[in-house]
Amino acid sequence: KNEVEQSPQNLTAQEGEFITINCSYSVGISALHWLQQHPGGGIVSLFMLSSGKKKHGRLIATINIQEKHSSLHITASHPRDSAVYICAVNSGGSNYKLTFGKGTLLTVNP
Amino acid sequence: DTEVTQTPKHLVMGMTNKKSLKCEQHMGHRAMYWYKQKAKKPPELMFVYSYEKLSINESVPSRFSPECPNSSLLNLHLHALQPEDSALYLCASSQLANTGELFFGEGSRLTVL
Repeated sequence: KNEVEQSPQNLTAQEGEFITINCSYSVGISALHWLQQHPGGGIVSLFMLSSGKKKHGRLIATINIQEKHSSLHITASHPRDSAVYICAVNSGGSNYKLTFGKGTLLTVNP
Repeated sequence: DTEVTQTPKHLVMGMTNKKSLKCEQHMGHRAMYWYKQKAKKPPELMFVYSYEKLSINESVPSRFSPECPNSSLLNLHLHALQPEDSALYLCASSQLANTGELFFGEGSRLTVL
C-alpha cells in the first residue's frame, strides 16, 4: 500500500467547474507538496504546506495534520489547468525524502 | 529569478556515447537534486547535493555521474547508457536539503538508442 494515496486518479470537468483533488498519507510528515505536471513537461511546485491553508490565484490547498489529509481546490477551472497533479510528502524532515502519490490526471473541457 | 533551467530539453544518444545534462539555478539554493521519471510514474530520486557535496546517491549505476562545480550548477554525465535509461531527467533545488520549497526544472528528455 502506497504511503500517499490520491483520489481520484482521473478527473474530467467542464470549464468553470470547482475541482477538488484529495491526498491522504499514512506517515508523520514535516511538509506536504502539491505539484503540477503538464503532459511531457516538467514539474511546477504549486504549494508546500505544513499546516492550515494557502491560496495562489484560483488554487487553494488545505491540510489537516491530525487527519493526515490534504486537498487541492481549483476554482473556475480552465482548460489550461489540464495536467497531472501530484501530492508528495516529506516524511523524514529532509526534502529529498519525498514520497510521491501516483498523481491525478485532470482534464478540463471547454 | 525563481527558475531552474535545464539543458538540453531533448537528447538522443547511442549506447556508446558520452553526453551531459546541465542544470542551473540562481536563487541561492544550497541543495540540488536529480530525479528520473519514467512515463506515467512519479519521479525517483537519484542524487542530492548539499553545499556542493554529494550527500545522497540512491544506488544509481555508475554510468550516471553527477557533478556540482559550484553552488548554481549541477551536471549529470552520461556514459554507456542502456535503452531502459530513456526517461525524463528532472533537476530540482531548494534552499537547504531539509527545508524550503522545491523548485523543479522542465526536465531533459533522454532517449537512448
